[in-house]
This record gives sequence, structure tokens and C-alpha cells, in this order.
Amino acid sequence: AQSVTQLGSHVSVSEGALVLLRCNYSSSVPPYLFWYVQYPNQGLQLLLKYTTGATLVKGINGFEAEFKKSETSFHLTKPSAHMSDAAEYFCAVNKNTGFQKLVFGTGTRLLVSP
Amino acid sequence: DVKVTQSSRYLVKRTGEKVFLECVQDMDHENMFWYRQDPGLGLRLIYFSYDVKMKEKGDIPEGYSVSREKKERFSLILESASTNQTSMYLCASSMDRAHGYTFGSGTRLTVV
Repeated sequence: AQSVTQLGSHVSVSEGALVLLRCNYSSSVPPYLFWYVQYPNQGLQLLLKYTTGATLVKGINGFEAEFKKSETSFHLTKPSAHMSDAAEYFCAVNKNTGFQKLVFGTGTRLLVSP
Repeated sequence: DVKVTQSSRYLVKRTGEKVFLECVQDMDHENMFWYRQDPGLGLRLIYFSYDVKMKEKGDIPEGYSVSREKKERFSLILESASTNQTSMYLCASSMDRAHGYTFGSGTRLTVV
């Protein structure tokens, strides 16, 4: 069975600083990996995804993530935080065989201070 | 722009009421999902459906049922609402595993 661990329920950064949100997964088969963002009182929006091919994937709003199979990680980064990045971020994994069903991490709330 | 629409953003219901949460997608997706989201617990899958009239239990189906009479519509039913069902409910649909999910805006349900 797949699972996702997001280290840190809250991450605080200053505006302009590097954003790093950590995600580790377990999967018995090659995974598909996703990052979603949720702004207050809204649904989840897809930021980026890894399915196959290039392990460094770029998403919306300047975010990117790198799939590292040896470390079973898919950490999310952004070089320079903006106040509008304050939100909750969810990592999710899906196996690439059988019925598709995403498994989500418990989320990381990103706080950005001026 | 593709959309998943949930009929209500906010709902307040009384204990014991039967509650219907509606979700409609316009993307011709076969797969649809209902999650509830609670602080510290993340997203938990209630039910999902991979075809019309088909449904499967998720991780926390107790106290809920679903209906999918048409491909585009997936309804979540709380047979007798209880205060512990106060939560944010999220509907999603997907085409296939490589595309992930498209979510609705959520329904924040309060049961008093």
C-alpha cells in the first residue's frame, strides 16, 4: 500500500527566502506523484506532477519538485517566497497499476512573513 | 476551463437531518471521489465511483452513502447527520491516474 509523509505541519519563511516542503512516499510500484495547493476555504489545485521522464518537474507559480527514487522523496521548492504563497500544500501518491486512487499526506501549512 | 462544481459552499444542518451534497463535473470523467477534510487529519476518502451506478467504499464510509445515476453527477448523502460529521467536504474527478484529480471548491458543513 502507498503512503505519504510530509515533514512539518507548519513551515515559516520570510518573503524572498527559499521555500522547501518535504514529502516522502512509500510505494510497492513506480509511483505517480503530485503536489496540490489549497488556499483558505477553497478546494485543492494541482501545482505539479511527476509521472515518467524528467525527474525535475516544474509547476505553476514558480514551484518545482524533484523525484528522487533512491530517497523515495518528492520535495517541493521555490527559490523566492511571495506573500501569496501562503497556503496549505499536500503531497499525494498514486500507483501506476490497478485502480487509481490518490493517497494524500496530512499537509504542510506555509506561512510567509514580510 | 474544466470544472467540478459543488452545489453549496456553506451548509448548516440540524442533527438527524438527511443531507445531500451534490457534485457535478463537466469533463466526462469516469472516476469521482468524495473526501472529508479535518484539521490534523488531512483528506480522508469516503466513497468513490469509477462508473455510473458503481460505487466503492473508501476509508471512512460509515454514516454516508452515495449515488451516481449519471456520469457527471456524484452525490454524497448523510442519512442522519451528526455533529461529528461537521467538516469540509471535497468532491473530485479524474480521467486517469496520470492526470491526478480536479477538485471542487468544497462544502463546509456544520451540523448543530
